Amino acid sequence: AQTVTQSQPEMSVQEAETVTLSCTYDTSESNYYLFWYKQPPSRQMILVIRQEAYKQQNATENRFSVNFQKAAKSFSLKISDSQLGDTAMYFCAFMSNSGGGADGLTFGKGTHLIIQP
Amino acid sequence: EAQVTQNPRYLITVTGKKLTVTCSQNMNHEYMSWYRQDPGLGLRQIYYSMNVEVTDKGDVPEGYKVSRKEKRNFPLILESPSPNQTSLYFCASNPQGTTLSTQYFGPGTRLLVL
Repeated sequence: AQTVTQSQPEMSVQEAETVTLSCTYDTSESNYYLFWYKQPPSRQMILVIRQEAYKQQNATENRFSVNFQKAAKSFSLKISDSQLGDTAMYFCAFMSNSGGGADGLTFGKGTHLIIQP
Repeated sequence: EAQVTQNPRYLITVTGKKLTVTCSQNMNHEYMSWYRQDPGLGLRQIYYSMNVEVTDKGDVPEGYKVSRKEKRNFPLILESPSPNQTSLYFCASNPQGTTLSTQYFGPGTRLLVL
């Protein structure tokens, strides 16, 4: 079974700063996907970024980028030029590719990110 | 518009009164699943379905039932709800094949069991 650990229950930064959210995972599999989801106060789950484990290049989506260290089983999210709208819960998640996706997502417990004006 | 819909969005009920939360997707996805979200625990998978008439337990299936009679629908049934099932519930779907890495989430159903 996989586990996902987010060691920062809450973080607070000033607007326009850069912030990094940490995530580590444990798996014996070699083929999998990793995700960061954002959950704003509306409670909607919004996909921020995803990374295929077989890709060495770190994924980037505008102000969001990841630092994927496969050997260390680490998958941190960096948010550059943070904005007030980035305030949300952020979940790191793992999906194995061995079951065709049927295993679903394994989530960390989340990091509550607060962007201060 | 591609989406996953859930109904109801909010529900208050009493212990033991059977309820069903519906989930429907319009993307012809094979895979569907249910999660519950509790403070400090993240999201945990309840049940999943690989296709019509194929369902299996996730990490926290006790007290829940599901069915998959049609590809687009995946209802979550609580036969005898209890207060510990008070939670935020999400339905999700994803396609088969190389694009399966993206799960589409419904808007969530907030359930309170008194």
